[in-house]
Amino acid sequence: ETGVTQSPTHLIKTRGQQVTLRCSSQSGHNTVSWYQQALGQGPQFIFQYYREEENGRGNFPPRFSGLQFPNYSSELNVNALELDDSALYLCASSLGGTTDTQYFGPGTRLTVL
Amino acid sequence: GQQLNQSPQSMFIQEGEDVSMNCTSSSIFNTWLWYKQDPGEGPVLLIALYKAGELTSNGRLTAQFGITRKDSFLNISASIPSDVGIYFCAGQLAGSARQLTFGSGTQLTVLP
Repeated sequence: ETGVTQSPTHLIKTRGQQVTLRCSSQSGHNTVSWYQQALGQGPQFIFQYYREEENGRGNFPPRFSGLQFPNYSSELNVNALELDDSALYLCASSLGGTTDTQYFGPGTRLTVL
Repeated sequence: GQQLNQSPQSMFIQEGEDVSMNCTSSSIFNTWLWYKQDPGEGPVLLIALYKAGELTSNGRLTAQFGITRKDSFLNISASIPSDVGIYFCAGQLAGSARQLTFGSGTQLTVLP
């Protein structure tokens, strides 16, 4: 069984640029959730995708967008990067349903200069 | 929005000691999860709880889903050096987006 993988591991961007982060879900999982984790804090929910449709969104502006593909992999796109976007971005996959236990990938560390 | 109050914020214990940490919420959750996160890594699931009153063990770890569905605790018995890390509780509401609401974490340090 393959776990959740994310790429790239680290990324450095400048303010105003755009970034795309990628996630491959665990085998058999059809739901992907994205979280932002600032230094010293718990992860904050960005949005969730279920079978290629957005299935819920946290308190993040529209410049945070995403996609889920037919193989259930996913992308997180962030436009017009701001310094406060510097964080660890985590992807979690799950089976969906009533017991939606989420399994996390290792994360992508984004630094905005 | 929902908030989880996790305590303590940090703990320094001697190897071999038992540890207890807990989370409380003003909201009712249908699922409680406990994760451990090492520096630069993603959270790793330790225990998942799905029913009020449920008590579940995973090796030296034991967690309980509070009867009110507003709290949960995690106990670690006979701590060892590899228990060092940040422990997060997370609650999950029923609904179309089963997003996780995380606590602020408990930083555990195990002294030899």
